[in-house]
Amino acid sequence: DIQMTQSPSSLSASVGDRVTITCRASQNIISYVNWYQQKPGRAPKLLIYVASSLQSGVPSRFSGSGSGTDFTLTISSLQPEDFATYYCQQCHSAPLTFGGGTKVEIK
Amino acid sequence: EVQLVESGGGLVQPGRSLRLSCVASGFTFDDYAMHWVRQVPGKGLEWVSSVTWNSGNVAYADSVKGRFTISRDNAKNSLYLQMNSLRTEDMALYYCAKGGTGSYLGWFDPWGQGTLVTV
Repeated sequence: DIQMTQSPSSLSASVGDRVTITCRASQNIISYVNWYQQKPGRAPKLLIYVASSLQSGVPSRFSGSGSGTDFTLTISSLQPEDFATYYCQQCHSAPLTFGGGTKVEIK
Repeated sequence: EVQLVESGGGLVQPGRSLRLSCVASGFTFDDYAMHWVRQVPGKGLEWVSSVTWNSGNVAYADSVKGRFTISRDNAKNSLYLQMNSLRTEDMALYYCAKGGTGSYLGWFDPWGQGTLVTV
């Protein structure tokens, strides 16, 4: 199984900060990683697919990059509505696996 | 607008069975793979099972293989998860999610609101 290791598990940031979340795969998954945002009491929402493609309707301050085993999700200027938990997910092979999540909190 | 509405969750004793349903609308259901993903409240996400558009290919997490069965009825725009021999560790919020065309290897978008299974 492909393990997805996210870091950090939590972070505190201020509105306007640039935030970077990292996901490392246990083997080469090319570009087959997706990113989701989940707010308390809500279902996850797709932000980025296949490493760097922005899902329709998602603000352009979100971006994804990486290939192989190392991937990043970047929020260029953190907004109040971005405080949430973020998950990466690999879709290279079954079983489909998620990272452990990164909780972004208000500093 | 794409909508996924899960139902069938509830309180069940260990060893018993439960069947979850997900009714889809707003897209051509039989063009897309579908998935079940679960989440213990306050914890992370765990993929459970997937099925391709024509049920030709199904996949399960090792944790549920042999106990859960995914199925779909394209005529009813519905996805199902038959859960047998339930264990306390199966207790979670179960989400239905739309996949892509072709293979079930892909992203989940969108997700339903979830149905809670308590064992």
